[in-house]
Amino acid sequence: EVQLVESGGGLVQPGGSLRLSCAASGFTFSSYWMSWVRQAPGKGLEWVANIKQDGSEKYYVDSVKGRFTISRDNAKNSLYLQMNSLRAEDTAVYYCARAVAYYYFDYWGQGTLVTVSS
Amino acid sequence: NFMLTQPHSVSESPGKTVTISCTRSSGSIASNYVQWYQQRPGSAPTTVIYEDNQRPSGVPDRFSGSIDSSSNSASLTISGLKTEDEADYYCQSYDSSTVVFGGGTKLTVL
Repeated sequence: EVQLVESGGGLVQPGGSLRLSCAASGFTFSSYWMSWVRQAPGKGLEWVANIKQDGSEKYYVDSVKGRFTISRDNAKNSLYLQMNSLRAEDTAVYYCARAVAYYYFDYWGQGTLVTVSS
Repeated sequence: NFMLTQPHSVSESPGKTVTISCTRSSGSIASNYVQWYQQRPGSAPTTVIYEDNQRPSGVPDRFSGSIDSSSNSASLTISGLKTEDEADYYCQSYDSSTVVFGGGTKLTVL
């Protein structure tokens, strides 16, 4: 059974940093693109970042470029999102998702809440 | 970059058929696959349609997807509506380096 379990969310002050993790199991992690997708409270889904199977390609939504870094450790079956210079508008539930052929998300975690507030 | 525009909400009665549209702002809707996700309150999204019109295993055939190049839009059609279909629905597509979600449509089954 495919499982994606996010962790690392919490309350952080504006300008602060946070590192999210996603532990994957039940599939060959190194064979898939992986993604982060977020959802602000009461709002819609927003794609944040993608990373290729070997980490050689990474893509970001414009609003997080230069502040967020997606990475993965295939030996640990883990996906990460390093978030720096956080802003109030980054407040959201962050979902880890498995991406089939880069563009289609077939499995999602349950999400971890990030709140940016003073 | 492009945008995907969906109606904010739709409503229909149980047993009826509803169609949710998703219009691409620039570039051809046919040039990149469209996916549809269902999200119930408090839950993560799940896929109901991928690659324009494909259903994942376990999704009932009441759900169908299509694209219309003349209107540059994709559609999700749900027939034989059930109260359990009440949820938010999001379309999603992509280009060479970006993934885009529509704003979501709240489906009310009443």
